[in-house]
Amino acid sequence: EAGVAQSPRYKIIEKRQSVAFWCNPISGHATLYWYQQILGQGPKLLIQFQNNGVVDDSQLPKDRFSAERLKGVDSTLKIQPAKLEDSAVYLCASSPVAVEQYFGPGTRLTVT
Amino acid sequence: QQQVKQSPQSLIVQKGGISIINCAYENTAFDYFPWYQQFPGKGPALLIAIRPDVSEKKEGRFTISFNKSAKQFSLHIMDSQPGDSATYFCAASRGGGSNYKLTFGKGTLLTVNP
Repeated sequence: EAGVAQSPRYKIIEKRQSVAFWCNPISGHATLYWYQQILGQGPKLLIQFQNNGVVDDSQLPKDRFSAERLKGVDSTLKIQPAKLEDSAVYLCASSPVAVEQYFGPGTRLTVT
Repeated sequence: QQQVKQSPQSLIVQKGGISIINCAYENTAFDYFPWYQQFPGKGPALLIAIRPDVSEKKEGRFTISFNKSAKQFSLHIMDSQPGDSATYFCAASRGGGSNYKLTFGKGTLLTVNP
């Protein structure tokens, strides 16, 4: 079974630029999550999708972050404009109906 | 407000020893407590998980001990091996189905010396 795919793996941008991350979940997984993992901390949930719909985006900084899930499969997370404090690893995870979440390798973002 | 507190931040153990990582939670509504293992450059991977209706769960060399009254749970790694060197995260969640959300601890960097 193929795992969660993410791209790019690394991205370096200057502050105030925009960036987009892509996630392809495990086939058949209805739930998709985006997490932000700052160095030395645990992942923090940004947004949760159930099929096409948003279940929880309470911790998404909506003034600069946006996310969508296309046709209930792939998802993109965008930051516009980026700030220095957005430097982190952005993890995508997917889950079937059960509780277990499967994480992708993440995208390491550096904002200079 | 940090809902899941994890300790220690880092841990060094000799090969063959026992590694113990502790977590405490505040929200009594949490009903699922997983541990994740993360290697550098990789995403977290589920290691073992427990629900509050049992006090202990063992899978191979990994054991979760759960104390509901104290709101604490811990991970024990028996016969620790250099390949176990990684960052370990405890987490907690409440709700089920589409409302399942994880709150993570800050992580413990485990180093197992050969």
